[in-house]
Amino acid sequence: AQKITQTQPGMFVQEKEAVTLDCTYDTSDPSYGLFWYKQPSSGEMIFLIYQGSYDQQNATEGRYSLNFQKARKSANLVISASQLGDSAMYFCAMREGPGGSGNTGKLIFGQGTTLQVKP
Amino acid sequence: EAQVTQNPRYLITVTGKKLTVTCSQNMNHEYMSWYRQDPGLGLRQIYYSMNVEVTDKGDVPEGYKVSRKEKRNFPLILESPSPNQTSLYFCASRAHRDRVSYEQYFGPGTRLTVT
Repeated sequence: AQKITQTQPGMFVQEKEAVTLDCTYDTSDPSYGLFWYKQPSSGEMIFLIYQGSYDQQNATEGRYSLNFQKARKSANLVISASQLGDSAMYFCAMREGPGGSGNTGKLIFGQGTTLQVKP
Repeated sequence: EAQVTQNPRYLITVTGKKLTVTCSQNMNHEYMSWYRQDPGLGLRQIYYSMNVEVTDKGDVPEGYKVSRKEKRNFPLILESPSPNQTSLYFCASRAHRDRVSYEQYFGPGTRLTVT
């Protein structure tokens, strides 16, 4: 069965330093998508970055990059130059199958990692 | 502004008193779903809908109902709420084809407490 594992319940990082949040996944489907969401204390879910299983290059979005290692089934989120506003819970999620009209679109979420950025 | 709205944002109720959490999206998305978030468990899908009048169970559907009579609305109904349904609820929507990522857009969340 598909599964997402985030092994770091909580992490601290110094402001302006880089931090890596770990995510491993398990699926037998060759086509899938991996997502990272940020949830600040206010509770909303903010989409950060996406990686498709067939994408050749690691995804990047501003200060966020996804370190995709397909053989190891890992999809770690790297945040460069951390800011105080990055303090939040971060969720890794996976969609099995291609994201077309026939896909239910269900996301499987990990348990989340709480990141605290220290000034 | 493209958005998913949920109401109410906060609700405290008593066991057995029927309630409805509304969800509406203005992006003409076909796909909508409900998730609940519990500490240590992440988000889990309750129900989803592929289009009007098409709904199906997710991973944790017990105690919930949904309907999809209009494309923009997808209400979550708790016929007889119980304390184990105390949770943070999210509605989400996505289009079938408008982005490569097919990312889901989440509503702001509804924090429900059942006493």
